[in-house]
Amino acid sequence: QVQLVQSGAEVKKPGSSVKVSCKASAGTFRSYAFSWVRQAPGQGLEWMGGITPMFGTPNYAQKFQGRVTITADEATRTAYMELSSLRSEDTAVYFCARSVVVVIAAGYYYYAMDAWGQGTTVTVSS
Amino acid sequence: EIVLTQSPGTLSLSPGARATLSCRASQSVGSGYLAWYQHKPGQAPRLLIYATSTRATGISDRFSGSGSGTDFTLSISRLQPEDFAVYYCQQYGSSTYTFGQGTRLEIK
Repeated sequence: QVQLVQSGAEVKKPGSSVKVSCKASAGTFRSYAFSWVRQAPGQGLEWMGGITPMFGTPNYAQKFQGRVTITADEATRTAYMELSSLRSEDTAVYFCARSVVVVIAAGYYYYAMDAWGQGTTVTVSS
Repeated sequence: EIVLTQSPGTLSLSPGARATLSCRASQSVGSGYLAWYQHKPGQAPRLLIYATSTRATGISDRFSGSGSGTDFTLSISRLQPEDFAVYYCQQYGSSTYTFGQGTRLEIK
C-alpha cells in the first residue's frame, strides 16, 4: 500500500512562493500520475495540475497556468508543487494524490485518485 | 471543460436512512469515467467509487454508484455515523480533472 507523505505547514507573505513536497513510499513511481488538489477554507476540492514522471510534462488547470510549477524527482520518489505570486486567497490545504496513468495510441490519460497525502496547510498572510 | 454540478448542497438524514446524491455533468462523461470521494475534516479525501459504479478497495457494499452520460448517482444505504461527511464527484479520463462542488451529508 503506497503512502504519500507531504512536507509540513508553511506560512508565507503575499507575493512570495511556496514549494510543497510529496514523497511516495512504494510502488512504481514513474508510471503513476501525481496531482495536486487544494481546498481553501469553506470551499471544495480544486485540481491544480499533475505530472507523470515517465512522461515528464506536467498538465495544469487553466486557472493556475503561469503560477504553478509541478515537478517530479524519480531518484527520491518525490513530487513537488511550487505556487508563486501568493495571495491571501491561496490560503488552503494542499493535497497530493496518485492515480494510474492509462497509455493509449493518442497519448495518455489519468484515472481516479486512489492514494492521497495527508495534506499541507499553506497560510498566506502579511 | 466539463462542469459537474452536485445536488443537493446539504442532505440531512438520520442514521439508518438511505442517502441519494446526484452529480450532473455539462456534457457526456466519456467511458463513464466518474468517481466519488468522501472527505472528512482534517483528513485526506478517500476514493469510494470509480468508473461510475466500481467500489474502490475496502469500500463497504453500502456504497453504490450508478448513472451514465451526464447523470450520476451515489447511494449510501443504512447510514452509519462515520458516513457523515462531504462527498465529491469527479470526472477523469483525460489529462485534467474536474470536481463537483460537493454535497454535505449531515446528521439530522
